[in-house]
Amino acid sequence: SSELTQDPAVSVALGQTVRITCQGDSLRNYYASWYQQKPGQAPVLVVYGKNNRPSGIPDRFSGSNSGNTASLTITGAQAEDEADYYCNSRDSSGDRGHVFGTGTKVTVL
Amino acid sequence: QVHLVQSGAEVKKPGASVKVSCKASGYTFTSYTLNWVRQAPGQRLEWMGWITGGTGNTRYSQKLQGRGTITRDTSASTAYMELSSLRSEDTAIYYCARDTAAGGSFDYWGQGTLVTVSS
Repeated sequence: SSELTQDPAVSVALGQTVRITCQGDSLRNYYASWYQQKPGQAPVLVVYGKNNRPSGIPDRFSGSNSGNTASLTITGAQAEDEADYYCNSRDSSGDRGHVFGTGTKVTVL
Repeated sequence: QVHLVQSGAEVKKPGASVKVSCKASGYTFTSYTLNWVRQAPGQRLEWMGWITGGTGNTRYSQKLQGRGTITRDTSASTAYMELSSLRSEDTAIYYCARDTAAGGSFDYWGQGTLVTVSS
């Protein structure tokens, strides 16, 4: 099956911009989706497709895709954005499954 | 609005089986695919498999092949994930999650069910 790799941790000053990346071969064929997970809670979808946000997700979250890399950008990070972030995509190995990234811990300073 | 409500926490011994349920409401159950995702303590999310609400077709991760079974009861708008021959490494929170209409993303999640495997 495919693998998606993320940086383990990043930090950002309050109000500044942070970019989280996700790399993997499946991203050459499929868009990444991004999920925010806070301690003790279920994940929440924040960005999907080319660059779509579900209802209720602030517009400071945006996504982009290029080659085998997908990125999630938080523009003007807020304290409540501190969380783990996971990317996922369909698995390009042909078994019609899904794969999740290794996860990135975002700390807002 | 859409809700996915899962069954309660389970404690099982190694070698036993567990069956977790996920009751859907607020949408047409047969029009969407439901996925199962698990997360071991302190670990990443792991996709386990999916079931289509209408036809009941299933797909499993290679890691789950042979030990996991996903079913659904359309009359109850409920999906089930059964895992057999439990091992300590199956200790995790198990989530159900709905596919978006276009597929490939999970737009609604259950609250999670903690399954603990311990002798």
